[in-house]
Amino acid sequence: QKEVEQNSGPLSVPEGAIASLNCTYSDRGSQSFFWYRQYSGKSPELIMSIYSNGDKEDGRFTAQLNKASQYVSLLIRDSQPSDSATYLCAVKGGWAAGNKLTFGGGTRVLVKP
Amino acid sequence: DTGVSQDPRHKITKRGQNVTFRCDPISEHNRLYWYRQTLGQGPEFLTYFQNEAQLEKSRLLSDRFSAERPKGSFSTLEIQRTEQGDSAMYLCASSPGQGPSGNTIYFGEGSWLTVV
Repeated sequence: QKEVEQNSGPLSVPEGAIASLNCTYSDRGSQSFFWYRQYSGKSPELIMSIYSNGDKEDGRFTAQLNKASQYVSLLIRDSQPSDSATYLCAVKGGWAAGNKLTFGGGTRVLVKP
Repeated sequence: DTGVSQDPRHKITKRGQNVTFRCDPISEHNRLYWYRQTLGQGPEFLTYFQNEAQLEKSRLLSDRFSAERPKGSFSTLEIQRTEQGDSAMYLCASSPGQGPSGNTIYFGEGSWLTVV
């Protein structure tokens, strides 16, 4: 079992719709969770972080965390063609895992005009 | 711009040669990370430093790879006797290491390595 798992996609959504991305993790002691966006040929850029159960909103993005289910998700509202990218879920594990972030393989999102 | 800086951005080398990448982190960030990313995969952790101390190194990391951060500022990643399988994007990142966002890492633009 991979430490951080994401559906590789592609997730195809029409412009203006909501894109829903999911991520599961194996380390129950994980405390910090991050979403990064990566355009083709570029490096990952931070979208948002979430540390507590529940929802966190930032503009058109909403992160959702459920530690009991070991599940974190990202919603992109009013999807735009410029949102077409790969979205990476990253998790900081429990104390035994050190201070690194472990990344999933990413979900490719394609927003169609 | 005070973001993470990496050099060179692109490197083509022949198999068997040594290569070195440099990373300058965001100033005042005391943690520095190296990751490797291949096409279609997420970034894979290689190693990280807290100030000048190398605190963790991936078990998957070959002994051909070595990293230093001699004065707790910039870092270098050297790959000796390169192999075609080393072709990847090498990402450097840094994080504050303390405070509410202490674990949030910020990536540089990456260094692309092609081994021919």
